Amino acid sequence: AQSVTQLGSHVSVSEGALVLLRCNYSSSVPPYLFWYVQYPNQGLQLLLKYTSAATLVKGINGFEAEFKKSETSFHLTKPSAHMSDAAEYFCAVSTAKAAGNKLTFGGGTRVLVKP
Amino acid sequence: EAQVTQNPRYLITVTGKKLTVTCSQNMNHEYMSWYRQDPGLGLRQIYYSMNVEVTDKGDVPEGYKVSRKEKRNFPLILESPSPNQTSLYFCASKRGTGLPTDTQYFGPGTRLTVL
Repeated sequence: AQSVTQLGSHVSVSEGALVLLRCNYSSSVPPYLFWYVQYPNQGLQLLLKYTSAATLVKGINGFEAEFKKSETSFHLTKPSAHMSDAAEYFCAVSTAKAAGNKLTFGGGTRVLVKP
Repeated sequence: EAQVTQNPRYLITVTGKKLTVTCSQNMNHEYMSWYRQDPGLGLRQIYYSMNVEVTDKGDVPEGYKVSRKEKRNFPLILESPSPNQTSLYFCASKRGTGLPTDTQYFGPGTRLTVL
């Protein structure tokens, strides 16, 4: 079985400050990990994904995430927040054994960016 | 433009009145899936399809039906909707079915309210 925990359902950051969103996963086999972003009234858009190559993954809009097997974590960071980063962010996990290529999502973290 | 489309975007209905939410993709993707999004729970998979005429249950299939008669379309059917099916629904598609590493593309969502 696979699962994802996102710490913090809401995060508030100041414009220009570091954005750090936490994601911990549970999986009995090597995981594939994803971060998606959801802007208001829109569908989910892939930010980045880890598929067992480099552990530091760079994505769109200046985001990156590091896979740490020892900590079962895949935290998302961005050095300097922009107003346009206000959105909800979802971490997701899947594996080669997941029935139907299923993605299992965390509960989401809503990011508020203060001017 | 490559996209996943859903209709309707918003729907208010009453208990027991059958409804269908359509989903269509123009990317010739083999894999399609339906998710529901509820606050604090992230997205949960309802049904998925690996190809035409091949469908299977996800984590929360009760009360839903699907069909895949054509590669591009994957409608979600609620034969007797109940208030606990009030939710935000997303259709997604991806190119292949071998591994879950292919990017899933999400539609804009359908907000359903069952009174």
